[in-house]
Parts: sequence; structure tokens; C-alpha cells
Amino acid sequence: NAGVMQNPRHLVRRRGQEARLRCSPMKGHSHVYWYRQLPEEGLKFMVYLQKENIIDESGMPKERFSAEFPKEGPSILRIQQVVRGDSAAYFCASSRTEGRSNSPLHFGNGTRLTVT
Amino acid sequence: GDSVTQMEGPVTLSEEAFLTINCTYTATGYPSLFWYVQYPGEGLQLLLKATKADDKGSNKGFEATYRKETTSFHLEKGSVQVSDSAVYFCALAGANSKLTFGKGITLSVRP
Repeated sequence: NAGVMQNPRHLVRRRGQEARLRCSPMKGHSHVYWYRQLPEEGLKFMVYLQKENIIDESGMPKERFSAEFPKEGPSILRIQQVVRGDSAAYFCASSRTEGRSNSPLHFGNGTRLTVT
Repeated sequence: GDSVTQMEGPVTLSEEAFLTINCTYTATGYPSLFWYVQYPGEGLQLLLKATKADDKGSNKGFEATYRKETTSFHLEKGSVQVSDSAVYFCALAGANSKLTFGKGITLSVRP
């Protein structure tokens, strides 16, 4: 039973390019969360999605960032015109139902984005 | 809003030493509380959880008790091993089920 799969593991982009991060949730999970981890900081919530719906995007920067979770295929976190400050580890997590105590989140191994 | 505060790190201990990692929280209502562990190069793994006041979560020799009166969820282990070296995150699940994390603390256990 594969866990949450994220790819790529490492992504290098030059300033101004686009970054696309992919996340395939665990089998049977329909809830996806994206978090960002900056050096020396904890994980910051970005967005919560269910299939074809954005439920909570209160942690997403207003510009350049977008996320989707289509009916078929992985969830995508897209960062347009990347800047050095976007360099971070981006983690995806999934849950079977709404991620509270009876349905804890399962995390992927993350995508480490480096902007040069 | 919700917040989680963890003690400053890093922490370095000798094998078989006693471990305490402090965690306090601020939240409206009655959140669920979690400890996650992150090994190098990996994602976060759920270590233990507690869903209501006075609940004790435990796993792999680690324990934490949900203390509503002190809004705390301190992590303890009686005898740490080298394999426990990792980053530990305290977290709470509040409204809308999203997790709020502390900054994490790096634990290094030397033989």
C-alpha cells in the first residue's frame, strides 16, 4: 500500500521560471493538504483540497501560487515566476476524511525547491 | 488564532537518558493534539495523539498527556536511543481540521 507520493524530490528553478509540484495521495484518500517548511521553521499550512474543490486556501500567498486536485490524477501545487524566497520544502499530506483525530494526516517525503 | 509553542532546541542527549520536550498551545475550543517525527530526508510521521483532556498518547516508548489546565502536551521518553535522533513537531488540529505546527526541535542522541 503505497504512501503519499510526491515528485520530484528535488527541483531547481531559476528566478522567473515556473515550478510544478505533484502529489498523489494514499489510495482511498480524497483530502489533500499542502504545507511549506522554511529553514529553521515549522510547517506552515498552505491549502486544503478535496477532489475538484479548494476547501481552505487561507495559507496560500495571494499571487503566483495556485493549487488543484482534479477528478483524475495527482494534486498540483504551481508556483509561477519563482523568487529566491520560495526556496523551501513543500509537503503534501492526505487523509481519508477530514483530517482530525480519527483520520490523521499521512505525509509524503516532500519536494525540496531551490530557486537560483 | 491557533498556535503551538515548542521549547528551543537543539537537544543533545546521551543514549538511555530521559527526554522531555515541552509543548504548549493556544486554541479556541477543544483541539486534538499530536506529536509528529521527521527523520532526515523524509516526511513527517505521526508519533502519537490525544483527542481530549487527560488523554495520554503513547507509542514506541514515547508518551504525552493532554493537559487542558496548563494547555500543554509535553513529550517524554524514559530512555532514548540513537535511532530516536530526528526532528519532533508538536501540532494541534483545530477548526477546519488543518494542523497547526510548532517550529520543531532537533534531537540528537549520542552513543
